[in-house]
Amino acid sequence: EPEVTQTPSHQVTQMGQEVILRCVPISNHLYFYWYRQILGQKVEFLVSFYNNEISEKSEIFDDQFSVERPDGSNFTLKIRSTKLEDSAMYFCASNTVNYGYTFGSGTRLTVV
Amino acid sequence: TQLLEQSPQFLSIQEGENLTVYCNSSSVFSSLQWYRQEPGEGPVLLVTVVTGGEVKKLKRLTFQFGDARKDSSLHITAAQPGDTGLYLCAGEALGSQGNLIFGKGTKLSVKP
Repeated sequence: EPEVTQTPSHQVTQMGQEVILRCVPISNHLYFYWYRQILGQKVEFLVSFYNNEISEKSEIFDDQFSVERPDGSNFTLKIRSTKLEDSAMYFCASNTVNYGYTFGSGTRLTVV
Repeated sequence: TQLLEQSPQFLSIQEGENLTVYCNSSSVFSSLQWYRQEPGEGPVLLVTVVTGGEVKKLKRLTFQFGDARKDSSLHITAAQPGDTGLYLCAGEALGSQGNLIFGKGTKLSVKP
């Protein structure tokens, strides 16, 4: 069964450093998303991306965050200057239609 | 801000019992999705309901979308230890693209 692949599975970074989280969505999917889940809390929407541009973003997705689809397969989330409160599981997801999303296994980001 | 209230938060039952998990909101959703999430993994889609009053069955799991598309339920018949896990509901706001509003989840434990 097709999967959404995320790398790395774990990332530890120092506060203030830039991080790039990588995702390979399912190949025939057109819509891509990033979500995050702080430990013990709800899964929260960050951003949706379609046709090489952001289609929707949440209040969490401020100027420190950016997304990119640098080639035909990868979808990245960059955090420019990490803060302690950015520590969370970050999930990439993709789909072809508006219903039913395939999530990756996540990247656990720890900011120290 | 749209909210999706999920209850109960925790449920511990014996094998063979039936159970129902509820998700309620004051907002209308274009679709309602149910996921199962294992520790350290991403949510895995179980079902999507789209039409008010819709009922979908997945083996021993029955999903219902409220007539007004503001609430949903998941009913498990004759629960088994393999059903143990975290169940999440997520609603897609009207007119949004990928902005899923997640509930806090129901942690189900089925004892043999």
